Amino acid sequence: GENVEQHPSTLSVQEGDSAVIKCTYSDSASNYFPWYKQELGKRPQLIIDIRSNVGEKKDQRIAVTLNKTAKHFSLHITETQPEDSAVYFCAASRRGGSEKLVFGKGTKLTVNP
Amino acid sequence: GAGVSQSPRYKVAKRGQDVALRCDPISGHVSLFWYQQALGQGPEFLTYFQNEAQLDKSGLPSDRFFAERPEGSVSTLKIQRTQQEDSAVYLCASSPGWAPRDYGYTFGSGTRLTVV
Repeated sequence: GENVEQHPSTLSVQEGDSAVIKCTYSDSASNYFPWYKQELGKRPQLIIDIRSNVGEKKDQRIAVTLNKTAKHFSLHITETQPEDSAVYFCAASRRGGSEKLVFGKGTKLTVNP
Repeated sequence: GAGVSQSPRYKVAKRGQDVALRCDPISGHVSLFWYQQALGQGPEFLTYFQNEAQLDKSGLPSDRFFAERPEGSVSTLKIQRTQQEDSAVYLCASSPGWAPRDYGYTFGSGTRLTVV
């Protein structure tokens, strides 16, 4: 089955700096890759997603890149703000069947003012 | 409703007790998922419904776990004879379409189960 590895497990940056979180996946049939933000005690919320027919997607300060050959994808946050502090999860799924999401273990991002 | 509602928000169970966790998806949402999130980990898939049909239960860790959605709306996750390793946050997610990737998932806030 699918396995998703996520790095780093913790990341601390200064306000205004960029943050990059990387994930690799094992199932070459995976073709949908969402990123979720989870604040302490709250529900995971989708922040951006990418499908395998594109290599990059941007939404304001957030971007995701996908390398299908290497089977890895990355989340980039620019001009970080303290409110970006949270745990970020990457996930992967393949079309068909239950379309379940397989999540990475998460990255705790801390943005220091 | 405005979002996915889960109850109870917190549950403490003695080892060996049975528990029932409830999920009220957004009205009209076809797809419903259950995930288990252990402390410091990512959510792990348990089971998936399309309307009342349970199409995938491959993630249920043992036969002590049972889920149902009899009328295609509210879902209940039941855990029999709870054990300490069952302690986790149980998340429910719903989606309006047959293909959740096309419409997005909305997660509930979860039920935090602690088995003592």
